[in-house]
Amino acid sequence: DQQVKQNSPSLSVQEGRISILNCDYTNSMFDYFLWYKKYPAEGPTFLISISSIKDKNEDGRFTVFLNKSAKHLSLHIVPSQPGDSAVYFCAAPRTETSGSRLTFGEGTQLTVNP
Amino acid sequence: EPEVTQTPSHQVTQMGQEVILRCVPISNHLYFYWYRQILGQKVEFLVSFYNNEISEKSEIFDDQFSVERPDGSNFTLKIRSTKLEDSAMYFCASSPGPLSNQPQHFGDGTRLSIL
Repeated sequence: DQQVKQNSPSLSVQEGRISILNCDYTNSMFDYFLWYKKYPAEGPTFLISISSIKDKNEDGRFTVFLNKSAKHLSLHIVPSQPGDSAVYFCAAPRTETSGSRLTFGEGTQLTVNP
Repeated sequence: EPEVTQTPSHQVTQMGQEVILRCVPISNHLYFYWYRQILGQKVEFLVSFYNNEISEKSEIFDDQFSVERPDGSNFTLKIRSTKLEDSAMYFCASSPGPLSNQPQHFGDGTRLSIL
């Protein structure tokens, strides 16, 4: 299932700098996107989302940008902190009236160096 | 903050044996899900459950799998006759509603190891 793809398996940045995590999708029916963060030995934790009617959503240090024409979204973290080191997944729900199955990307391991 | 809890955290089982993974979703949530992640692979959807019945299942969720909500709080995943390829992290999730803007909340997972 290649409908959601994260091409960078890892990213390393310095503390205080910007982290940019990328995600591409192929299914034009997706109308909502989510980012989850996952620490080792824990489950994915919801971070931020964006509706397809918007091109930007901001929550504190986290901003998600959506480019529908390119079928591309990105998560910006600024300033990056060592505690942000985790695996980041983008995901898209396929909404049905009886639930939304999430399609996940492969994940990107972010390492923020002090 | 309410959370999804899963037990056990690690389950080791002989191939061919039955295993039951347990989850307690967030109390006011109505939609429940199971996902799995085989080592090195993507998180994959298995099944969604609403109003005491399966609402959707993936091609992975074959006759060996079943889900149940035996009481008002637990949500279980049963694998009847485990295979080596069932070894994975299994995540339970819940959401208050079915809509895209009602994010699913995940438990910390059960690591299932089939020997």
